[in-house]
Amino acid sequence: AQKITQTQPGMFVQEKEAVTLDCTYDTSDQSYGLFWYKQPSSGEMIFLIYQGSYDEQNATEGRYSLNFQKARKSANLVISASQLGDSAMYFCAMREGSSARQLTFGSGTQLTVLP
Amino acid sequence: DTGVSQDPRHKITKRGQNVTFRCDPISEHNRLYWYRQTLGQGPEFLTYFQNEAQLEKSRLLSDRFSAERPKGSFSTLEIQRTEQGDSAMYLCASSLNPARGGETQYFGPGTRLLVL
Repeated sequence: AQKITQTQPGMFVQEKEAVTLDCTYDTSDQSYGLFWYKQPSSGEMIFLIYQGSYDEQNATEGRYSLNFQKARKSANLVISASQLGDSAMYFCAMREGSSARQLTFGSGTQLTVLP
Repeated sequence: DTGVSQDPRHKITKRGQNVTFRCDPISEHNRLYWYRQTLGQGPEFLTYFQNEAQLEKSRLLSDRFSAERPKGSFSTLEIQRTEQGDSAMYLCASSLNPARGGETQYFGPGTRLLVL
């Protein structure tokens, strides 16, 4: 089974609108961390936001917020007031267990912001 | 620039040649990671160092791959006898020890390898 599932290969959003990128995860661990990264065409992975499994509040970082629904095992990224520079590939990732080090990534969602 | 740096950014080589990539992590980060990303996929974990010790290796890391971090600072990833299937983006990341309050991995710009 996929550990991280991103079901939207591509998404389009109008500039200044909000957009939600979906991510579901699969783990039996109680302790885990969820991350979102942005990868522009240049290739660098840019960290956006982090949510720990024990965090009670949804994480927010500027225009980014993470809609964490633990019972549904979903960690959707919400980008408010989209900008042209938000056009990129977005990856959801998970660190599983309290002692694990590596991240497991989904297959990504290509977001295109339209002017 | 205090971020993670990688060198070279691009490498084209012929099948059977050896290649070596370098990663310089963020200076205070004691953890360093290597990932491989093929076209249209998310990155896949290869290996991880805490200081100079290599603590985890993925099954993806075949015998032709070797990674070192001799002084606990920069790291090198060597691929011997390259194959066309090794063509990918090789990403390096670094992080603090979670006990010191940070588990977020920060990535470098990557090295794009093309094996002809």
